[in-house]
Amino acid sequence: KAGVTQTPRYLIKTRGQQVTLSCSPISGHRSVSWYQQTPGQGLQFLFEYFSETQRNKGNFPGRFSGRQFSNSRSEMNVSTLELGDSALYLCASSLDPGGRTEAFFGQGTRLTVV
Amino acid sequence: GESVGLHLPTLSVQEGDNSIINCAYSNSASDYFIWYKQESGKGPQFIIDIRSNMDKRQGQRVTVLLNKTVKHLSLQIAATQPGDSAVYFCAENKDNFNKFYFGSGTKLNVKP
Repeated sequence: KAGVTQTPRYLIKTRGQQVTLSCSPISGHRSVSWYQQTPGQGLQFLFEYFSETQRNKGNFPGRFSGRQFSNSRSEMNVSTLELGDSALYLCASSLDPGGRTEAFFGQGTRLTVV
Repeated sequence: GESVGLHLPTLSVQEGDNSIINCAYSNSASDYFIWYKQESGKGPQFIIDIRSNMDKRQGQRVTVLLNKTVKHLSLQIAATQPGDSAVYFCAENKDNFNKFYFGSGTKLNVKP
């Protein structure tokens, strides 16, 4: 069974640009969550999608958005990039939407903003 | 690697010894906990989970202990191996969503 796939693995963008990251969950998983990981703040929850609906959002500005498609694949978008957005963006998929089962992570997308 | 922070606590153990990694969680309402292992360049990997109606759970070479009174989790790794070298995170969940709150992590360094 294929794991969580995130693309691209690495990105370099310039301040002010926007970026879209993609996540394909494990087959059959309908819950997708996104996290930002930085050395200073650690792993922080961005948002969660289930059945194409955003169910929960973390404490991030509106520049961070996402969506989920009918096949459960998810994308997140960051607009007007800032240097501080440089981070590893991780996607996790879960079979159970209730937050009581394993969340499987992808390898992440390393975003560097210059 | 991406998971290493500037101020991550580090635990150094000799190969073959047992390791104990500790985590203090923040919310007394949290009722589900996961330990993750993150190697350099990779995403977090599930190790073991525990629900709040338990105080101990064992897996292969790993044991998680939960003390709800003091909001403390520990991960015990038996016969630590060089392949166990990584950053370990605890994560807690208190809602009926897949929204986990992660600890800051502990770097485990296994000396051969």
